[in-house]
Formats: sequence, structure tokens, C-alpha cells
Amino acid sequence: DAGVIQSPRHEVTEMGQEVTLRCKPISGHNSLFWYRQTMMRGLELLIYFNNNVPIDDSGMPEDRFSAKMPNASFSTLKIQPSEPRDSAVYFCASSPGFSGTDTQYFGPGTRLTVL
Amino acid sequence: AQKVTQAQTEISVVEKEDVTLDCVYETRDTTYYLFWYKQPPSGELVFLIRRNSFDEQNEISGRYSWNFQKSTSSFNFTITASQVVDSAVYFCALSEDMNSGGYQKVTFGTGTKLQVIP
Repeated sequence: DAGVIQSPRHEVTEMGQEVTLRCKPISGHNSLFWYRQTMMRGLELLIYFNNNVPIDDSGMPEDRFSAKMPNASFSTLKIQPSEPRDSAVYFCASSPGFSGTDTQYFGPGTRLTVL
Repeated sequence: AQKVTQAQTEISVVEKEDVTLDCVYETRDTTYYLFWYKQPPSGELVFLIRRNSFDEQNEISGRYSWNFQKSTSSFNFTITASQVVDSAVYFCALSEDMNSGGYQKVTFGTGTKLQVIP
């Protein structure tokens, strides 16, 4: 079975540009998580969806960040406009059940560099 | 206050040595979950173990073992006879109730980088 799929794997952009990261969760999983990983702040939860509905977006840094999950098999994380401090690895993860009690299965991540 | 503390930032061991990675957590919940994940140099996080707060039985899986002690709020991870392939960053995580419809938020520790030297 395919795991969590993320695209692109690497993204290099210039400050001010819009960036869209994509995620396809494991089929049948009800929960989807977006994380950001940096050396300074470690692994941070940005947003959590359950059955396509955002449940916890308290980790979204600011209005420049937005996330959508239009259906059970696709989610996007958008940064507009991007800034150099957004450079990080962004992970998408999915899990079978509700909330954080289940094991999360992570995608390979998208390494974002904002120049 | 940090909810999950991994005090060891980096550890280096020689191959075949045993190594223990420490994890101390903080929560007021009686029901919570603890996890360990491995992040090899390739970057992807890989699930290792999940344990709920009512199950204090230690677990062994091959060369890996976990020691869960509620009395000290610790969930330590031991690798026996370490191998070069064990070199990775290891994360401990806590899932606790956020008092909102059963949602349990996961908080990750800062990770411990393990280097196994051949």
C-alpha cells in the first residue's frame, strides 16, 4: 500500500512568492496533520484535520499560512507571501482514527527554501 | 514548561554498545499516549512504538526495548547491541486530552541524535 505522498519533495522560491505544498494521505485514514520541522523549533504541529474538517489550527503561525482539505484524499498547505523564515521541512501525516491517540504515518516531507 | 523533555541532544556510541535514550513527560491527564519515532538521515519519520498510560508493561522488540514508569513520568528507549543503521534522530511524543471533544494533541520532544560509530 502506498504511504503518505507529498509533493513537491523540494521547493526553492523567492521571498514574496506563493508556495503550495500537497499531501495525499493513506486511503481510509480519517485524520491528517501538517507539521513543520526546523532546527530552532523542532517539530511543530501546524494544523490537524479530522474527516476533512480543521479541528486544531492553533499552530498555524500567521495569516500567511492556510490549509485546506477539500476531500479525504487531498490536502494543501499554502504560504502567501512566503518569507525566508518559512524555510523548513514540512511534513504531512495521517492516522486511522480521531485525534492524536493513533499512530501517525508520515510522508517524506517537503524541504522548502525561501530565498 | 516543556511537556516532553529529551535532555540528551546527541549521543555517540561505538557499534555493539547498548544505549538508552531518555524521555520525561509532563501531563495532568490520567489517559494519555506516548510514542517513539525514528528519523533516519533520509528524513522520513518512522513509527516505533505507541503506549497508553494504563499499560506500564515494558516492551521488547528485537534489539529495541522500552521502559515506561509512571512514577517518574519517563518512557525510556534502549537499543541493545547498537548498529550503524540505528544512527538517526529519535523523537519521543506525548498525546494528551485537550478538553475539546476528545481531541488529543501530540507534542514532540526535541529529539536525540544518535550516532553509532563502526
